[in-house]
Amino acid sequence: GIQVEQSPPDLILQEGANSTLRCNFSDSVNNLQWFHQNPWGQLINLFYIPSGTKQNGRLSATTVATERYSLLYISSSQTTDSGVYFCAVERWAAGNKLTFGGGTRVLVKP
Amino acid sequence: DVKVTQSSRYLVKRTGEKVFLECVQDMDHENMFWYRQDPGLGLRLIYFSYDVKMKEKGDIPEGYSVSREKKERFSLILESASTNQTSMYLCASTGPPPTDTQYFGPGTRLTVL
Repeated sequence: GIQVEQSPPDLILQEGANSTLRCNFSDSVNNLQWFHQNPWGQLINLFYIPSGTKQNGRLSATTVATERYSLLYISSSQTTDSGVYFCAVERWAAGNKLTFGGGTRVLVKP
Repeated sequence: DVKVTQSSRYLVKRTGEKVFLECVQDMDHENMFWYRQDPGLGLRLIYFSYDVKMKEKGDIPEGYSVSREKKERFSLILESASTNQTSMYLCASTGPPPTDTQYFGPGTRLTVL
């Protein structure tokens, strides 16, 4: 099956810092999503981004499908950004079935 | 806003018990999913459903079954709970393309003693 690798596995930031999270995948995909899991376990969809660039407030994401990677940018980080960030992909014709990466655990210190 | 709810946040059961985890979504989504999340193993798909009374196995279906009698409700059943089924269980739903975004419920942390 498709492999999804996220880096770094852990990230500690000082409040106000910027950071980049990376997601590499091993096969062509037609669906890529970024999620944030808060400390209480709730997964929130951040971006649906199979290709191109999107921005939502302090977060933005870029997917280069031809090179099989996606980047999530966090700018001016806040303590509420802490949690685990997951990348998930769907191969072509996989019927909305997502394969998740291992996640990047982010801790933003005040 | 899409809302996905799960019947319990925390659940404690004994080995051998039959366990029902309920998930309800309010956006008329066709597709619903059950995952389990374990430290070091990430999220793994147990079962999914494309429509009422339809179900398909995910990556780790052993020891589980599902039921989808109504479009908005997708139930996960542990026929005879075992300690290795202690985990966080997450339900999700998604609409048809192009709105393929998955929306998750708050999760049920199940402990089997």
